[in-house]
Amino acid sequence: AQSVTQLDSHVSVSEGTPVLLRCNYSSSYSPSLFWYVQHPNKGLQLLLKYTSAATLVKGINGFEAEFKKSETSFHLTKPSAHMSDAAEYFCVVSDPADYKLSFGAGTTVTVRA
Amino acid sequence: DAGVIQSPRHEVTEMGQEVTLRCKPISGHNSLFWYRQTMMRGLELLIYFNNNVPIDDSGMPEDRFSAKMPNASFSTLKIQPSEPRDSAVYFCASSSRNIQYFGAGTRLSVL
Repeated sequence: AQSVTQLDSHVSVSEGTPVLLRCNYSSSYSPSLFWYVQHPNKGLQLLLKYTSAATLVKGINGFEAEFKKSETSFHLTKPSAHMSDAAEYFCVVSDPADYKLSFGAGTTVTVRA
Repeated sequence: DAGVIQSPRHEVTEMGQEVTLRCKPISGHNSLFWYRQTMMRGLELLIYFNNNVPIDDSGMPEDRFSAKMPNASFSTLKIQPSEPRDSAVYFCASSSRNIQYFGAGTRLSVL
């Protein structure tokens, strides 16, 4: 079985400051891990993915995430937040041999001017 | 590629009416998923197709829900009859190499 815990339901940052969204996972396998972003009234957009290659994964829009097996974590970071980063972010885990995704509860990011 | 295309984007209907949601997956993707998103339950997988064949429909809430995939480029999710508790955003996703790409969703309101 696999599961995801997003440690913060809401994160508020000032524009230009770093963003950190925390995610811990549980998986019986070597997992695939993803971060998706959902802007208001939009679908889920893939930000980045980890599939057992490099542990530091770079995604779109300046986001990156680091896979730490010893800590079972996959935290998402961005050095400098932009107003357009205000959205909901989902950490997702899957078994590479399976089709099912396990979604975290989501973290809502607010960016203050 | 235009991505996964869903229609309509918004649907408002009255209780008891039939609702049909449509999805066009990304060309070349052999897997298709229907999800429902609500505030209370988050994202739930309703049904999964592989090569146009339903593989897992255990998430379909009840017999009022049905889904078809007559060919590789089209799928429908039908609710008949609809109820107010079906109000949600319904997403379609298609995948290649275990990476799922989502459509913009259909926001369904059943009055």
